[in-house]
Amino acid sequence: AQSVTQLDSQVPVFEEAPVELRCNYSSSVSVYLFWYVQYPNQGLQLLLKYLSGSTLVKGINGFEAEFNKSQTSFHLRKPSVHISDTAEYFCAVTLGYNDMRFGAGTRLTVKP
Amino acid sequence: EAQVTQNPRYLITVTGKKLTVTCSQNMNHEYMSWYRQDPGLGLRQIYYSMNVEVTDKGDVPEGYKVSRKEKRNFPLILESPSPNQTSLYFCASSLSQPAYNEQFFGPGTRLTVL
Repeated sequence: AQSVTQLDSQVPVFEEAPVELRCNYSSSVSVYLFWYVQYPNQGLQLLLKYLSGSTLVKGINGFEAEFNKSQTSFHLRKPSVHISDTAEYFCAVTLGYNDMRFGAGTRLTVKP
Repeated sequence: EAQVTQNPRYLITVTGKKLTVTCSQNMNHEYMSWYRQDPGLGLRQIYYSMNVEVTDKGDVPEGYKVSRKEKRNFPLILESPSPNQTSLYFCASSLSQPAYNEQFFGPGTRLTVL
């Protein structure tokens, strides 16, 4: 069963425009949520994570995400993107002690 | 510099020829893991290790072996590679189990099995 769904496989956007990358998860238990970024020809890096507390989480490079328990979502946002934000973004959910599930990824392309 | 290193970065081989992809971390992390990344499927875990001499299967372990004889190293072994193992492989490590710990990823190994 799909635990993490990234609703858009590709998101093209112009530089300085806002962007939202969508992530939904399915779980009946409490979860921890992550967003990772993969720049071309590199490994994944952590952008931000939600463990508890405030549902609005701020990460590196001006990204933020909001945990919505009722909608089981953890969408990633940035108010103004740069060319350098072009990358693939992965949402991940931990469902248990060692059960981390990654979404299929969203390729963000920022055009000049 | 804290990092996870993998070798080789690129590998082309033929069906049935045993190969090993090495992974090493210099952060004294207890937890290490191998993933494969395929288009449209994201990352899927192959094997993981909670500590030295402790390894366990992930979601897609068939056709792979691992060992953890030292804390810093976690090699991935394909004893008889097949074309369906053509993929991009990532090694990762974290301080302890990844439920709430950041995972640090290596640069990836692109494997092609002909």
